[in-house]
Amino acid sequence: KQEVTQIPAALSVPEGENLVLNCSFTDSAIYNLQWFRQDPGKGLTSLLLIQSSQREQTSGRLNASLDKSSGRSTLYIAASQPGDSATYLCAVRGNNRLAFGKGNQVVVIP
Amino acid sequence: DVKVTQSSRYLVKRTGEKVFLECVQDMDHENMFWYRQDPGLGLRLIYFSYDVKMKEKGDIPEGYSVSREKKERFSLILESASTNQTSMYLCASGLTSPRVEQFFGPGTRLTVL
Repeated sequence: KQEVTQIPAALSVPEGENLVLNCSFTDSAIYNLQWFRQDPGKGLTSLLLIQSSQREQTSGRLNASLDKSSGRSTLYIAASQPGDSATYLCAVRGNNRLAFGKGNQVVVIP
Repeated sequence: DVKVTQSSRYLVKRTGEKVFLECVQDMDHENMFWYRQDPGLGLRLIYFSYDVKMKEKGDIPEGYSVSREKKERFSLILESASTNQTSMYLCASGLTSPRVEQFFGPGTRLTVL
C-alpha cells in the first residue's frame, strides 16, 4: 500500500523567505504527483501536476521537483507572502486512486 | 474551468438520520470520488465511481453507500448517521486517464449530533 509522508507537518516563516516543502512516497510505481493547496474549511485547489516522466514543473513562484526513483518531491515557493499561508498536500496517483500525505501547514509571518 | 459543486457547505444532522451529500461536475468526467478528511488522519477514500451505475469501495466504505445515476452527479449516502461520521466530506472528479489531475469541490462540513 502506498504511504505518503510530508515533513514538516507545520512550519512558520517570515515573509519574503523561500518555502521548501517535502513529500516522500514508498512505491515509485506512480503515474503522477499532484500538489494541492487547502485553506481552512475549504476544498483542495490544484497547484501543480508532475507526470512520472518529468523532473519538475513550474507555475509562477511555485516550482515542484520529482525524483521518482527515490520517492521524493519538493515544492518550492519563492519569496513567500502572507497569502501563501495554507496547508499544502501532495498526492501520488496509482491507477484510479490518489494517495495523500497529511499536509504541511504553513504560516507566513508578515 | 472545471467546476465541482457540492450541495451544502455545512450540514447538521441527528444520530440515526439518513443523510444525502450530493456532488455535481460539469466537465463530463468519467471518474468521481468521495473522501472524508479528519485531523491527524488526512484524506481517506470512501467510494469512487468510474462510470454511471458503477462503483468501487475505497478504504473506509463502512456506514456509507453511493449512487451514480447520471454521469455528472455522484451522491454519498449515510444510511443511519452516527457521531463518528462528523467530518469534512470532499468530492472530486477526473478523467479516466491516469495522467490528468483530479479536481475537488469546496467540501461539506457535516456535524452529527
